[in-house]
Amino acid sequence: QVQLVESGGGVVQPGRSLRLSCAASGFTFSKFAMHWVRQAPGKGLEWVAIISSVETTKYYADSVQGRFTISRDNSKNTLYLQMNSLRPEDAAVYYCARDGEPPYFDHWGQGTLVTVSS
Amino acid sequence: EIVLTQSPATLSLSPGERATLSCRASQSVYSYLAWYQQKPGQAPRLLIYDASKRATGIPARFSGSGSGTDFTLTISSLEPEDFAVYYCQQRSNWPPWTFGQGTKVEIK
Repeated sequence: QVQLVESGGGVVQPGRSLRLSCAASGFTFSKFAMHWVRQAPGKGLEWVAIISSVETTKYYADSVQGRFTISRDNSKNTLYLQMNSLRPEDAAVYYCARDGEPPYFDHWGQGTLVTVSS
Repeated sequence: EIVLTQSPATLSLSPGERATLSCRASQSVYSYLAWYQQKPGQAPRLLIYDASKRATGIPARFSGSGSGTDFTLTISSLEPEDFAVYYCQQRSNWPPWTFGQGTKVEIK
């Protein structure tokens, strides 16, 4: 079965960096685009970034453009999110999600919590 | 950016009752709309895609309708496990992929 497992969250000071990972299994990872979606405490869902199956195309939300970088390693079945210059408003649970067929968020990981605080 | 507005914010109902949730788009999204269910402490789960198609394993009591700018998620008879937050999401015009702000279905 499809499984997505995020890791790398934690407490970080404003202005510092963090890298999240999402390990995928149970499907052919290299055939699917992947997303990051976040959810601030008590708030709704916010799309963060997408990367195409072979890493040729990437898009970002305006709120993270220039600070976050999405990448993937298809040989390791792993998705990444490099987060730089973190701000308090970046604090959230970060989910990785598969861009399915049809292209909706058809599978999600359990999420990893990022706290930005001094 | 397409804005999705969900109503009501909270729906208070009893088990066995019918739930009707609304999602309105700021411009047409054709039928490129999905609904997700999220329970406390869990990731969202895809319920409905392309406005009216049930995702794999989703019970028949969940149904979606609408096209263009107005969409509805109906739960025909609420089961205890259906009390949760529901989000709509569009994939018509991207980036960004956008979600509604959510409707909480709570036990009355």
